[in-house]
Amino acid sequence: QSALTQPPSASGSPGQSVTISCTGSSSDVGGYNYVSWYQQHPGKAPKLMIYEVNKRPSGVPDRFSGSKSGNTASLTVSGLQAEDEADYYCSSYAGSNNLVFGGGTKLTVL
Amino acid sequence: QVQVQQSGPGLVKPSQTLSLTCAISGDSVSGNSVVWNWIRQSPSRGLEWLGRTYYRSKWYNDYAVSVKSRITINPDTSKNQFSLQLNSVTPEDTAVYFCARGSRDGYNYWAFDIWGQGTMVTVSP
Repeated sequence: QSALTQPPSASGSPGQSVTISCTGSSSDVGGYNYVSWYQQHPGKAPKLMIYEVNKRPSGVPDRFSGSKSGNTASLTVSGLQAEDEADYYCSSYAGSNNLVFGGGTKLTVL
Repeated sequence: QVQVQQSGPGLVKPSQTLSLTCAISGDSVSGNSVVWNWIRQSPSRGLEWLGRTYYRSKWYNDYAVSVKSRITINPDTSKNQFSLQLNSVTPEDTAVYFCARGSRDGYNYWAFDIWGQGTMVTVSP
């Protein structure tokens, strides 16, 4: 059982927007702004998409955005494209030099 | 361009030690603005951070509570790499293991921007 809770699946049609939630507690998501989001295609390593709640690494399309409210972080993918179909994982610093991940969300582009 | 390349056996017997290595190119295992991590992924446990090593005038390690009694992460400055040792493995340790970099330059130590290719390790007799 993962420390952070994500919905198992999400879906949207091309061009639409979809939001994936990541719920933790005041000891992790709610307590720190070290929330990251990763995209993982089958058989590949995770790729950093968002860090520090809402910052995008160079090269990540601005269709990807992050936010946080209380103990819940969210990843929004706007203007869905076929290549966005992948698994998405959140992570959060949890204090005491420890990191926790979410269970992952499978995003399907219909 | 920073890259990391993992190596190690894909099959380990129960009660034995799992050993993996992550070779670094384009960066330094002893850099002052980086940390080097091991993460694993399995269907039952999802992604799980295992631990990290880093150098700040001396070497430090942090380990996840779930594996703290069984894990060792060691740097090897002569080869610019770091390793994972997990003792007394059981079938529950079967997973894909990744090494990854956390960097203060542009990101933070808890956002992993460089990942290894992953090594599937099966624990079986």
